[in-house]
Amino acid sequence: GENVEQHPSTLSVQEGDSAVIKCTYSDSASNYFPWYKQELGKRPQLIIDIRSNVGEKKDQRIAVTLNKTAKHFSLHITETQPEDSAVYFCAATGGSQGNLIFGKGTKLSVKP
Amino acid sequence: KAGVTQTPRYLIKTRGQQVTLSCSPISGHRSVSWYQQTPGQGLQFLFEYFSETQRNKGNFPGRFSGRQFSNSRSEMNVSTLELGDSALYLCASSRTEFYNEQFFGPGTRLTVL
Repeated sequence: GENVEQHPSTLSVQEGDSAVIKCTYSDSASNYFPWYKQELGKRPQLIIDIRSNVGEKKDQRIAVTLNKTAKHFSLHITETQPEDSAVYFCAATGGSQGNLIFGKGTKLSVKP
Repeated sequence: KAGVTQTPRYLIKTRGQQVTLSCSPISGHRSVSWYQQTPGQGLQFLFEYFSETQRNKGNFPGRFSGRQFSNSRSEMNVSTLELGDSALYLCASSRTEFYNEQFFGPGTRLTVL
């Protein structure tokens, strides 16, 4: 079945460094790729998304790139801050009706 | 605009019982999706409702069911609870049947003893 793999599962960086999280998807029909941030004890919140007709999207310190040929997309966070510490989930549309399939998450720790 | 709300927030049940969880989407949102979140497994898709119709269903046993009402509020039911059903159940709403930004509720923490 459709699958989204996410790496790494944990990531620790120093404040100010960049962080990159990568995801691959299996369904070539996937056309929507959101990224969610979930802080401890809170609900997931959308931080950025990209559609299949766009290769890159940027919002301040956050950017997402999409390579449809290779079926992978990545989240880039620059100048990381302690408040970026959270679990990040990638997702891609899949399935017969296009429901969202989530990766297993990346726990990002930003050390001051 | 009020966000997605879920009730109850916490629930403790014993094996064999059944449970009903409720989700109220953002006003004007017609699509409601349900997810099960467990440590290490991420968010696993249960089902999605749009205009009172189940549009898609994930790979969960028939013990998991749901419905949506005319005001877009949704409920999910789990019958014959098992220990492995202990999880955070999240619902998310979006405006249309086509996938765009989903807004998540705070979740219902279900513990099965």
